[in-house]
Amino acid sequence: DGGITQSPKYLFRKEGQNVTLSCEQNLNHDAMYWYRQDPGQGLRLIYYSQIVNDFQKGDIAEGYSVSREKKESFPLTVTSAQKNPTAFYLCASSIGQGWGTEAFFGQGTRLTVV
Amino acid sequence: AQSVTQPDIHITVSEGASLELRCNYSYGATPYLFWYVQSPGQGLQLLLKYFSGDTLVQGIKGFEAEFKRSQSSFNLRKPSVHWSDAAEYFCAVGSNNAGNMLTFGGGTRLMVKP
Repeated sequence: DGGITQSPKYLFRKEGQNVTLSCEQNLNHDAMYWYRQDPGQGLRLIYYSQIVNDFQKGDIAEGYSVSREKKESFPLTVTSAQKNPTAFYLCASSIGQGWGTEAFFGQGTRLTVV
Repeated sequence: AQSVTQPDIHITVSEGASLELRCNYSYGATPYLFWYVQSPGQGLQLLLKYFSGDTLVQGIKGFEAEFKRSQSSFNLRKPSVHWSDAAEYFCAVGSNNAGNMLTFGGGTRLMVKP
């Protein structure tokens, strides 16, 4: 089945450690996105990538980094510079450029930093 | 800048009652509008979308939404709510700035009373 796979579903880290969240898609989509979700704040865009080897900052990129070495993969690293990293992280993909196309979401990763 | 407002943070309805979730958007041109549903701890699933044409859009699970340009609204409706509809609902508007960028509202959490 085609879709987006995020792993792990739950992740615990100590404060000050970097952590990488995985996102893989087999939908042959060009565009991929990372959103952060906090209670009562909806979804906020962290980074997005429209094509391999290219990505742009979203609204809340500080403290995060990404790479897009393969079309299928868009991992997100939460660095120690992120002041409040505990959140639910959602990865999404879409066919590509051109607004209006549907975004498909993974099941999310809940990160807890202690 | 585009924005989406969902005025109701929480809504409780009785099973079998009708439902309307409100969504207001701000966008300079004709928007592309979406409604997504999220079950607890899960990703987002697309319910329906509006691009153009008929302003009444039918979606999955018996949901529909009506685009009203004069009111900048895209309210979600269902004639008879089922207990399984309890979830969080997000309205989103598409952007034409750079690729397929979605701006989400803060969400409305629906609770269904037996």
